[in-house]
Amino acid sequence: DVKVTQSSRYLVKRTGEKVFLECVQDMDHENMFWYRQDPGLGLRLIYFSYDVKMKEKGDIPEGYSVSREKKERFSLILESASTNQTSMYLCASTSPTGVTYEQYFGPGTRLTVT
Amino acid sequence: EDKVVQSPLSLVVHEGDTVTLNCSYEVTNFRSLLWYKQEKKAPTFLFMLTSSGIEKKSGRLSSILDKKELSSILNITATQTGDSAIYLCAVARRKGAQKLVFGQGTRLTINP
Repeated sequence: DVKVTQSSRYLVKRTGEKVFLECVQDMDHENMFWYRQDPGLGLRLIYFSYDVKMKEKGDIPEGYSVSREKKERFSLILESASTNQTSMYLCASTSPTGVTYEQYFGPGTRLTVT
Repeated sequence: EDKVVQSPLSLVVHEGDTVTLNCSYEVTNFRSLLWYKQEKKAPTFLFMLTSSGIEKKSGRLSSILDKKELSSILNITATQTGDSAIYLCAVARRKGAQKLVFGQGTRLTINP
């Protein structure tokens, strides 16, 4: 079974803090994704990585950066957290050679910025 | 701009009812449409649809794609409280196929 894990299920941070969200997958997938999920807006892609040290902006990259130093690990960084970044953050991974385009998701991190 | 729209956004029914969830899309270079179920944790994959008119079925859940109408439906028959979840629709494109475009989700609540 593919397993995608995220470092925290719940996180509370203060405005202006630097926040790190970690994601690890154990299936040797090349592609990894960070989404945020807000009610009524669905999942929106923040950043995408298709290989180690390679990244691509998604639809809403402003205020975020990412790091992929190892194939299994993809980190999302909020350089200076703001209240409008309060959200559910989901990490996913997939293989470009997969039969389906199925992405495997982690359990999510619910981040609250106060 | 590529777009996926789901309806309704929220639905409350009684156990045993049949429900139909809708997903419509406007994307360039359509490749396939995926359905996910999300309970209080990670979204889990249900179906992938590539060909029009071919029904995919898994137990009480079924789904079909209509490429002419640029839409898909997800049917759940004899609903159970365990079907309560957010149902997500996503579209993969031929270019950049690994990136999915998601709809807003439909929150389905099944009351006993």
